[in-house]
Amino acid sequence: DAKTTQPPSMDCAEGRAANLPCNHSTISGNEYVYWYRQIHSQGPQYIIHGLKNNETNEMASLIITEDRKSSTLILPHATLRDTAVYYCIARYRDDKIIFGKGTRLHILP
Amino acid sequence: GAVVSQHPSRVICKSGTSVKIECRSLDFQATTMFWYRQFPKQSLMLMATSNEGSKATYEQGVEKDKFLINHASLTLSTLTVTSAHPEDSSFYICSASTGERPYTFGSGTRLTVV
Repeated sequence: DAKTTQPPSMDCAEGRAANLPCNHSTISGNEYVYWYRQIHSQGPQYIIHGLKNNETNEMASLIITEDRKSSTLILPHATLRDTAVYYCIARYRDDKIIFGKGTRLHILP
Repeated sequence: GAVVSQHPSRVICKSGTSVKIECRSLDFQATTMFWYRQFPKQSLMLMATSNEGSKATYEQGVEKDKFLINHASLTLSTLTVTSAHPEDSSFYICSASTGERPYTFGSGTRLTVV
């Protein structure tokens, strides 16, 4: 699986859009970009995934650059409940999930 | 859909005893399940891959005789921590996949060995 790089922490004001970057410059053509988050003392929660095209669901949007070397997870209107560690993972669809250190997102009231 | 139930959510056991943790896929059949452990302020570490009807595959450095995994059916995998010691105290999390949708995680089991 391709290595991903994320900032260790970020702050975002409540109600604003949270934009979480991820670098995956060595990603291969068939590897997907997955995002999960982990709220304190809970299991990880799936957010979104994509291959080439931008994706949107009820939780978030995923913007993948044309060269696929980086992506951004967007939480459109962050709330306090979005405080969590966010993990960006580049992997083949059926591969096991290896977690990096992720980004600790703090939503500020 | 795609709910994974993990039981118990918390367990305290005495040093030297064994503890069994269950992971069930409630509304789908999981041919593959994964077990992770997480120490405070650290990321999840993959311990092993559990395949229904076959032996589990352990990650490097994980003792297979210490952490026994059984995946006897398409909806149940169990992790048994044998002869537990205080250093085994951790947050254990399972994950399951149908192969067709993103992996779903259980809510975790916090094990404390005293």
